[in-house]
Amino acid sequence: DAEITQSPRHKITETGRQVTLACHQTWNHNNMFWYRQDLGHGLRLIHYSYGVQDTNKGEVSDGYSVSRSNTEDLPLTLESAASSQTSVYFCASSEASGGAGSAQYFGPGTRLTVL
Amino acid sequence: EDQVTQSPEALRLQEGESSSLNCSYTVSGLRGLFWYRQDPGKGPEFLFTLYSAGEEKEKERLKATLTKKESFLHITAPKPEDSATYLCAVQANYGQNFVFGPGTRLSVLP
Repeated sequence: DAEITQSPRHKITETGRQVTLACHQTWNHNNMFWYRQDLGHGLRLIHYSYGVQDTNKGEVSDGYSVSRSNTEDLPLTLESAASSQTSVYFCASSEASGGAGSAQYFGPGTRLTVL
Repeated sequence: EDQVTQSPEALRLQEGESSSLNCSYTVSGLRGLFWYRQDPGKGPEFLFTLYSAGEEKEKERLKATLTKKESFLHITAPKPEDSATYLCAVQANYGQNFVFGPGTRLSVLP
């Protein structure tokens, strides 16, 4: 069965370190998304990609970067981790929808703590 | 600006007590409205897509309906295993991205 996986599931790091969160999907979806979820803010879009070599900033992109070198993977990098980036991170993917909307399918999440 | 609000913020029901969750939206052209269920410590799980006013979708004890300004998720005779946070999201005609609502936290007591 197709799926979307994230690793690690839990990560503790220190302020100032670079951290990369992995996301891998086997749906063969063109679109991939990274969100963070915090109490009181719901799901907020960090970065997204509509295909290989395409990346775009979301509403809360400062301090984060992504790269898309193949269809399956969209790693999220925190260049210099800050305590404000302590959160739960979700990756999602969807088909490119030219007409009707396409559902996004989510991974299990990565809980990141920055000390 | 596209916006999604959900009410109530939290809802407690007794097992078997039917109720509805509301999702109100403003979007410049609706491509789709999506309902998700999220259990603690897990990613959102897709439930339904609704595309146009008047459309209804059903799955077990859940039924989703859509008007031009809002969607309802009706829960009939809920069970404790229906306890979760229910998220609503909209996708506008001009893009592929979603705007999510804050969710409704549902607790069903035995």
